[in-house]
Amino acid sequence: KQEVTQIPAALSVPEGENLVLNCSFTDSAIYNLQWFRQDPGKGLTSLLLIQSSQREQTSGRLNASLDKSSGRSTLYIAASQPGDSATYLCAVRGGGATNKLIFGTGTLLAVQP
Amino acid sequence: GAGVSQSPSNKVTEKGKDVELRCDPISGHTALYWYRQSLGQGLEFLIYFQGNSAPDKSGLPSDRFSAERTGGSVSTLTIQRTQQEDSAVYLCASSLSTGGPQHFGDGTRLSIL
Repeated sequence: KQEVTQIPAALSVPEGENLVLNCSFTDSAIYNLQWFRQDPGKGLTSLLLIQSSQREQTSGRLNASLDKSSGRSTLYIAASQPGDSATYLCAVRGGGATNKLIFGTGTLLAVQP
Repeated sequence: GAGVSQSPSNKVTEKGKDVELRCDPISGHTALYWYRQSLGQGLEFLIYFQGNSAPDKSGLPSDRFSAERTGGSVSTLTIQRTQQEDSAVYLCASSLSTGGPQHFGDGTRLSIL
């Protein structure tokens, strides 16, 4: 059974710092991995999607990497801003006919001005 | 708007009542997903629709839960004889195709008294 874990559970950094969020999964047979952010009382906003054949994806100040063999992904946020404060979730889609996403436990990020 | 739309945004009802939650996916998206987000369980997959194929109902927690998708667009999630443990945020997502990034609505916050 696929399990997804995110470390740390919470993180507080001063504005301007670069930071890394970690995601690990137990079954390396994944189809893709997606990073989301969730603001309080809101749904999920898709940030980046990495296919299983890819190593990384970049969007603006965000860079996500994937090491499928070791079951790990990282989300790198450069020059953090208070507006980046949110909960960050990673989710994996299993291989084969499985289309559901298995979500991690999330990292609550607070960027202090 | 162009995003996934869910209604109602909040629903409070008494234990034992039936509730219906609605999801309008992004136009043209063939895949539609329902998830549940609760404090104790995180984000859990409920059900998945893809085109005219039989839905994947593997995540539905009991036979009190059902969902349908009419005309390949709007979907309703029905919970019969609600219980207090059904209290959660119910999120709907859609994707252009199976395996593509999933885009989420803001969810329906369901509270069972």
